Amino acid sequence: SQTIHQWPATLVQPVGSPLSLECTVEGTSNPNLYWYRQAAGRGLQLLFYSVGIGQISSEVPQNLSASRPQDRQFILSSKKLLLSDSGFYLCAHAEPPTDTQYFGPGTRLTVL
Amino acid sequence: AQTVTQSQPEMSVQEAETVTLSCTYDTSESDYYLFWYKQPPSRQMILVIRQEAYKQQNATENRFSVNFQKAAKSFSLKISDSQLGDAAMYFCAYNQGGSEKLVFGKGTKLTVNP
Repeated sequence: SQTIHQWPATLVQPVGSPLSLECTVEGTSNPNLYWYRQAAGRGLQLLFYSVGIGQISSEVPQNLSASRPQDRQFILSSKKLLLSDSGFYLCAHAEPPTDTQYFGPGTRLTVL
Repeated sequence: AQTVTQSQPEMSVQEAETVTLSCTYDTSESDYYLFWYKQPPSRQMILVIRQEAYKQQNATENRFSVNFQKAAKSFSLKISDSQLGDAAMYFCAYNQGGSEKLVFGKGTKLTVNP
């Protein structure tokens, strides 16, 4: 069975600092991978998705970027964090051709 | 663009009773999938149930079942014999066949009273 990990679980960063969140998936190959953000009390916003190594699609223009250096690794980055980047970040995977997405445990990011 | 609407920001139910959460969606497509996800206080999104639009039979998973009304574009979730562990945010989501994107509703907060 597939397992999805996210690291770190919690992060507090100052404004202007860089960011790197990692997502890894076990038990599958060539999954579709996704990054979502959930602001407090709100629904999920799709940020990026990837259908393969080096293939990234951006849904929302912002100061975040994503990379997929390996088949089962998806990284969310920023060079300079903003206060508005605070939120709960969820990684998800889906195994084509299924349309079902399964989520990781999430990372709570607070930018001060 | 497809939209998903959950008209009940909050719902409550007594333990062991049944509750129904509402969801409507807007699409002109015929091939799509619908989902209910549960988000407990830990905030991990957990898949509850999945429905393919081409299937007329309503999906069921143990105490969870859906009432899928394709013509009305309605997809409600029924939780039977509610348990304290069912307390969570519940999100309805839509996925167009062949698309990588999930469209989420704003969620319904379910409280289970002992």
